Amino acid sequence: DAGVTQSPTHLIKTRGQQVTLRCSPISGHKSVSWYQQVLGQGPQFIFQYYEKEERGRGNFPDRFSARQFPNYSSELNVNALLLGDSALYLCASSTDLNTEAFFGQGTRLTVV
Amino acid sequence: QKEVEQNSGPLSVPEGAIASLNCTYSDRGSQSFFWYRQYSGKSPELIMFIYSNGDKEDGRFTAQLNKASQYVSLLIRDSQPSDSATYLCAVRPGTASKLTFGTGTRLQVTL
Repeated sequence: DAGVTQSPTHLIKTRGQQVTLRCSPISGHKSVSWYQQVLGQGPQFIFQYYEKEERGRGNFPDRFSARQFPNYSSELNVNALLLGDSALYLCASSTDLNTEAFFGQGTRLTVV
Repeated sequence: QKEVEQNSGPLSVPEGAIASLNCTYSDRGSQSFFWYRQYSGKSPELIMFIYSNGDKEDGRFTAQLNKASQYVSLLIRDSQPSDSATYLCAVRPGTASKLTFGTGTRLQVTL
């Protein structure tokens, strides 16, 4: 079975630009969560979606938004990029809200 | 007080020894506890999860949970150089489904 897939794997953007990151969960998993990990820190929760509805939001500005599609894939959008948004963005999928979460390979975003 | 605390390390153990990684958490209502392994430049990989007090063993790994002390640990027996990585402790709070992570403990297994 394919694991969680994220695209792209690497991305370089300029300050002020917008970015869209994509995630396909493990087949049969209905929940997708997004995390941001900066160097030397643990992942920080951004959003969780289950059955296409937002079920949790972390302490991130409104520049961050996400959605989940009928096939359970998900997109994370970040507007008006700042240098501080440079990080590894991780998508995790789980069968439902409170089961084990499995991470994709991540998207490394660099804002210059 | 941080929600999930881990010693950042590095924790250095010789090959073949037992590595003991520790984690404390602040939310007494937390229900689920996870250990992830993260190699440098890679994403976290789930290696153990535990929901009930006591020990849970899987191969060379044992997770230990003590809810009264708000403490969860990971033991790695017969440590191998390939175990050298950062180990992240994650906790699911009682009132939410998100995961809260510690900053991770870097383990070095020496030859």
